[in-house]
Amino acid sequence: AQKVTQAQTEISVVEKEDVTLDCVYETRDTTYYLFWYKQPPSGELVFLIRRNSFDEQNEISGRYSWNFQKSTSSFNFTITASQVVDSAVYFCALDQISSGSARQLTFGSGTQLTVLP
Amino acid sequence: NAGVMQNPRHLVRRRGQEARLRCSPMKGHSHVYWYRQLPEEGLKFMVYLQKENIIDESGMPKERFSAEFPKEGPSILRIQQVVRGDSAAYFCASSPPDGSPPNQPQHFGDGTRLSIL
Repeated sequence: AQKVTQAQTEISVVEKEDVTLDCVYETRDTTYYLFWYKQPPSGELVFLIRRNSFDEQNEISGRYSWNFQKSTSSFNFTITASQVVDSAVYFCALDQISSGSARQLTFGSGTQLTVLP
Repeated sequence: NAGVMQNPRHLVRRRGQEARLRCSPMKGHSHVYWYRQLPEEGLKFMVYLQKENIIDESGMPKERFSAEFPKEGPSILRIQQVVRGDSAAYFCASSPPDGSPPNQPQHFGDGTRLSIL
């Protein structure tokens, strides 16, 4: 069975602060993908990143960075110099690669990030 | 190249009525997934379909819910005799056919918000 845990239900920061959203996952698969999605107040799901389990290199995209540590089964997401527009619910998700047909994503329960001006 | 299209965006039904949610996958995609997001929760997998076939419906409630993806036309998620607990956002995602570059990320639609009065 797969599981994704986002222990932080809500986080509030003041604009320009850095913030890290935690994600811990469980899977028996040796190959898998990890994702982060953003859900702004308008409700749609915005794809942010996909990371292959073979690739533990950290990634940076503008103010966003991701720290993947297979040893601790974590895939944390950091926003540097946060902005009010970053306020949203952020979901971490896991996708099996090895399974041929069951391609269901397993989502965490989400972290509500509020960035205050 | 249009993304995943879901309609309606909002749907209001009274208890006991039927709800039909539609999803047109991205062009060239033949796999469709339905997820449900209850208030204040993450997305939960419901069903995975390919054209004219249900591949995995392990997340779908056994009663009142059904899904189809006909040879022509959109995928339909149908909820019969709706109850208050069916109020949720229903998201559809699609991915390319088998044989495409492996494990393309699922592309999500904007969701249908179902409200039961």
